[in-house]
Amino acid sequence: AQSVTQPDARVTVSEGASLQLRCKYSSSGTPYLFWYVQYPRQGLQLLLKYYSGDPVVQGVNGFEAEFSKSNSSFHLRKASVHWSDSAVYFCVLSAPTGGNNKLTFGQGTVLSVIP
Amino acid sequence: EAAVTQSPRSKVAVTGGKVTLSCHQTNNHDYMYWYRQDTGHGLRLIHYSYVADSTEKGDIPDGYKASRPSQENFSLILELASLSQTAVYFCASKWGGGQNTLYFGAGTRLSVL
Repeated sequence: AQSVTQPDARVTVSEGASLQLRCKYSSSGTPYLFWYVQYPRQGLQLLLKYYSGDPVVQGVNGFEAEFSKSNSSFHLRKASVHWSDSAVYFCVLSAPTGGNNKLTFGQGTVLSVIP
Repeated sequence: EAAVTQSPRSKVAVTGGKVTLSCHQTNNHDYMYWYRQDTGHGLRLIHYSYVADSTEKGDIPDGYKASRPSQENFSLILELASLSQTAVYFCASKWGGGQNTLYFGAGTRLSVL
């Protein structure tokens, strides 16, 4: 069985501050990991993805994430947040299941950036 | 850029009524998905399809039917809407069954009263 846990339901940071959103996963197979962002009244959009190789992956808008197999984690980071980063962030795990690739979504973390 | 369009954007339905949510994609993707989002929860897969005229059950298919009459269109049908089906519904599409990027519609907010 596979699972994704985002332990922080809500995170509030000041504009210009650094950010880390946490994600822990459990997978019996090789994990493929994604971060998606949902802006208000919009569908989810891909921020970045990790398949293999360098554990630090770069995404759009200055986001990056670091994969750790030993910690079963895939945390999202940004050096300096902007008010427009306020959104809901989802960590997503994909793993082969019965000939298909099953996606498991975390519960989401609501990020609020205050001036 | 992939385009996935959902209609309606919001709907109020009565308990026991029939509801049809529509999804249209213009990027010739073979896979299409219907997800449900409840407040404070991640997305859960209801139905999906990888070819026209065929649909597959996801993780929570009970109370829902799906229809894929063409590559571009994928509908979600609630034959007898219930209060517990109040949620936001997202359609998504992607190319192939591997790890390619999912492209989401903007969602349909359904309220069943």
